[in-house]
Amino acid sequence: DAGVTQSPTHLIKTRGQQVTLRCSPISGHKSVSWYQQVLGQGPQFIFQYYEKEERGRGNFPDRFSARQFPNYSSELNVNALLLGDSALYLCASSLTRQGLNEKLFFGSGTQLSVL
Amino acid sequence: ELKVEQNPLFLSMQEGKNYTIYCNYSTTSDRLYWYRQDPGKSLESLFVLLSNGAVKQEGRLMASLDTKARLSTLHITAAVHDLSATYFCAVVQETSGSRLTFGEGTQLTVNP
Repeated sequence: DAGVTQSPTHLIKTRGQQVTLRCSPISGHKSVSWYQQVLGQGPQFIFQYYEKEERGRGNFPDRFSARQFPNYSSELNVNALLLGDSALYLCASSLTRQGLNEKLFFGSGTQLSVL
Repeated sequence: ELKVEQNPLFLSMQEGKNYTIYCNYSTTSDRLYWYRQDPGKSLESLFVLLSNGAVKQEGRLMASLDTKARLSTLHITAAVHDLSATYFCAVVQETSGSRLTFGEGTQLTVNP
């Protein structure tokens, strides 16, 4: 079975541009979460979607938005890119929204560089 | 606001030695995770700890959880070079669904 897949793997943008990152969860998983990992730090929570609805949002500006599609895949959009948005963006999937014994499975990430 | 602190942040050790990484968190939690991350790679799940006193072991790694002290430890026994990586603990706050709050990570280097 395929794991969590993310695309693209690498992306270079300039300040002010917009970017869309994509994530396909593990088959059967209905929850997708997005995390931002700046070099040398732990990942920070951006969004969680479950059953196509936003279920949680981290401390990120409104330039960050996301959605989940009927097939449970997800997109993360970032507008008006800043240099500080350069990071590894990780997508994680889980079967449900709050499974006590569940693991979150992470994709390989999209490395975004903003110049 | 939930805070998660790991120490040490950097750890250099020799093969064959033992060491412990500590993870403290600031509020009540019902789940704690340990992840491993190799340079340029994603996060690999190591352990999920759910209850006070939980202990899990996989190979040379053993994780434990003390919910009263809000402390988890990751113990490394007889380290080998292949364990070199960054290790993160992550905590789920009871009311936040599956939202993880990560520590800063411990960068482990095992030297021959």
